[in-house]
Order: sequence, then structure tokens, then C-alpha cells
Amino acid sequence: QQQVKQSPQSLIVQKGGISIINCAYENTAFDYFPWYQQFPGKGPALLIAIRPDVSEKKEGRFTISFNKSAKQFSLHIMDSQPGDSATYFCAASNYGQNFVFGPGTRLSVLP
Amino acid sequence: DVKVTQSSRYLVKRTGEKVFLECVQDMDHENMFWYRQDPGLGLRLIYFSYDVKMKEKGDIPEGYSVSREKKERFSLILESASTNQTSMYLCASSRQFTQYFGPGTRLTVL
Repeated sequence: QQQVKQSPQSLIVQKGGISIINCAYENTAFDYFPWYQQFPGKGPALLIAIRPDVSEKKEGRFTISFNKSAKQFSLHIMDSQPGDSATYFCAASNYGQNFVFGPGTRLSVLP
Repeated sequence: DVKVTQSSRYLVKRTGEKVFLECVQDMDHENMFWYRQDPGLGLRLIYFSYDVKMKEKGDIPEGYSVSREKKERFSLILESASTNQTSMYLCASSRQFTQYFGPGTRLTVL
């Protein structure tokens, strides 16, 4: 029940395309859903996050869509750029304490 | 800027050695975390701490212990390193919901 599933494992997108990464969770006690971006040799960094009281959050080219009834959320990267090439992790947390991470998606954006 | 630093970027140890990984944060955060990161498994929580001298087991605490004597410092200890503990170790701190990660320590146990 603590698991967060993430797909796809890897993703290749052409420059200017849309990258979509999906996550699903089981524990309905989770109330905070962040996405982290990790470049090689660096620790993960918070990209964008959403609370379950909204269905969508947008920050620049990055959008989280959240479906509470389906217990699913996704990250959309619009106009993908080669600089977006990184590993992306979704996560879920209850009260900002017990964070559970998905296995990660390696995104490659081709120039 | 929040800064989380880890004592070593790369570490090579032998089986059976006692290993100390140090983490320091400079933002007076109450919460600190230790994760290990393995390909295809994401980040798995080893231990976390909500306050000085407080610690809670995460999902994979076996073979590890932690110490938090000061608010800014959280140490991960491998009592007797084994080859299956070869991994990337990430430290993080948070006050509310946002976690800030250090750059990681890549530990190899021979």
C-alpha cells in the first residue's frame, strides 16, 4: 500500500514534443505529490508539486495532472528541450514526512 | 539557498568495515532523511529523524544505524559493510513538505 508505481521506465522525445510520465499510488492517506528532477552526478531537486485538492498545477512548461478518484497523477513537459534530459521521480507523502518514491523515468530529449 | 552537504562524493570500503556517512544542512530544518538509490528501484528510505536524538526506521533499515546529536548533522552508519550495500546514498532535509537533497555519496564495498 506504500508503493508508488511509475511509467515508463525510459522515454525518448524529440525536441519540441510533449513528455508524459505517469504515476499511481494506493495509500489514500497521501496528501502531497511532488516530482523531482535529477541530473547525472546530482541529487534530486524539487520540480513541481501538487496537493489533492486541485486537479492540475502548471509552472512554466511543466504541468501536473491529478486524478484523485483513480489515484493517479502525471507530469507533462511541454515543448521538451534537450536540457530537460534527466531522470524524473514522482513521490507521495503524508504530512510531509513519510515520502515514498517511484522507481524513476529516464527522459532523453533528442535535438 | 538551502544547502545539504555530504562528507564524500565517492567512497570505497572493504567488507566488514564500519562506514560513516555524514550529512550537514544549513537551514535549521527539523527533518532529515537517508535514502539509498539503486537503478530501477528509485529512492528507498533507510532512516529519518524529526528532531535531535530522534530517529525512525524507514523501509530498509537492516544493516544501518543513524545518529543525530546536533540539529544540522545526520550520520548514517554501516556497522559492518557488505557488498550488497554498494549503492548511491542520498541525504535530504525538510521543514514542511519540500525535501532538499545533497549531491549523494557513491559507496562501493569490495
